[in-house]
Amino acid sequence: GQSLEQPSEVTAVEGAIVQINCTYQTSGFYGLSWYQQHDGGAPTFLSYNALDGLEETGRFSSFLSRSDSYGYLLLQELQMKDSASYFCAVRGYQKVTFGTGTKLQVIP
Amino acid sequence: DGGITQSPKYLFRKEGQNVTLSCEQNLNHDAMYWYRQDPGQGLRLIYYSQIVNDFQKGDIAEGYSVSREKKESFPLTVTSAQKNPTAFYLCASSIQSGTDQYFGPGTRLTVT
Repeated sequence: GQSLEQPSEVTAVEGAIVQINCTYQTSGFYGLSWYQQHDGGAPTFLSYNALDGLEETGRFSSFLSRSDSYGYLLLQELQMKDSASYFCAVRGYQKVTFGTGTKLQVIP
Repeated sequence: DGGITQSPKYLFRKEGQNVTLSCEQNLNHDAMYWYRQDPGQGLRLIYYSQIVNDFQKGDIAEGYSVSREKKESFPLTVTSAQKNPTAFYLCASSIQSGTDQYFGPGTRLTVT
């Protein structure tokens, strides 16, 4: 089976940088994805890492270390609209398993 | 416009009644999924389907049933056997099993 751990809550200041960590245990691993979900809304896909290293998409970057079963999402130049829940998710053979989510609060 | 639709957005039912949640996609995706999300929780997989006329149980399938008669449609029935059905239900699809998923807007079900 799969299990993922990420912090439940993070608070950061507008304009700052925040890192959301994710560790996983898995019996089958193809890659690590990140999703964003605003309150009351649907999750939306942010990024995917299949190989070790950093992937950058605008203000968001995602990192993976397969040997450490660890990844993180890095959000730069935080904006108020970035306040949301962020889920890491392991892509397995037939399905994706989601973590319990990190609620990010951006404060002025 | 391609996407996933779920209806209705809010649904209210009395305890003991079965209820069916709709999910339709026009993305030509093979795989479809149903998740349940409770307040402050992650997404838990109920059922998934890799292809038409095929589906598998997820982590919390008890009290739910699905069908996949058409590629575009994957309805979920919440039966009276589901002990705690009040939740936010999300449908998703992907090009194939295990790839990144596109989510519908969700249905918030309240059973009293």
